[in-house]
Amino acid sequence: QVLLVQSGAEVKKPGASVKVSCKASGYTFRSYGIVWVRQAPGQGPEWMAWISTYNGNTKYAQNFQGRITLTTDTSRNIAYMEVRSLRSDDTAVYYCAREGGMDVWGQGTTVTVSS
Amino acid sequence: DIVMTQTPVSLAVTPGEPASISCRSSERLFESHDGNTYLDWYLQKPGQSPQLLIHTLSYRASGVSDRFTGSGSGTDFTLKISRVEPEDVGVYYCMQRSDFPWTFGQGTKVEIK
Repeated sequence: QVLLVQSGAEVKKPGASVKVSCKASGYTFRSYGIVWVRQAPGQGPEWMAWISTYNGNTKYAQNFQGRITLTTDTSRNIAYMEVRSLRSDDTAVYYCAREGGMDVWGQGTTVTVSS
Repeated sequence: DIVMTQTPVSLAVTPGEPASISCRSSERLFESHDGNTYLDWYLQKPGQSPQLLIHTLSYRASGVSDRFTGSGSGTDFTLKISRVEPEDVGVYYCMQRSDFPWTFGQGTKVEIK
């Protein structure tokens, strides 16, 4: 069974950082890139970034350039997204998804930013 | 960035009746070198992650009913549901991955009358 399992919910203060993990199973990790999407409360999804699990190449949405970093651990089939300098409007559910028509999604990680 | 605009914003449909959702891109989604148009459709049911319905313009994802059909070209794309069923309720999103950054439409909420 193809699965992406994300790390648990986080509560952070403004200015802090958060690192979300996304563990893949059931398929060859390096055959598909990983996409990160977030969804603020009551809003639609917003594409954030993509990473090639094959060579580590990345693409970031302009909104997040310089504030997020994507990495992978191919030995453990895990993708990571770190978001720095958190603001209250970063409060959202963060999803990872398998690229190529995002056919597999993680369950989402709720990140709450509040003082 | 390519802006994706969906219409209508919401839709109430009688079970068994058809439904259609339009998605328009601000720039032409050119076919890639492999001849594909990278336009996808997703359904998000309440409290769930989005799920892929249609990828690459017209290919149904694994397990998706043949009641769902994707079509279009250039800047105009359509998702059609031939006969709406109660389990089809949720918010539908189109998304282009023809060019970075990938962008979603704002969503169309489908409800049952």
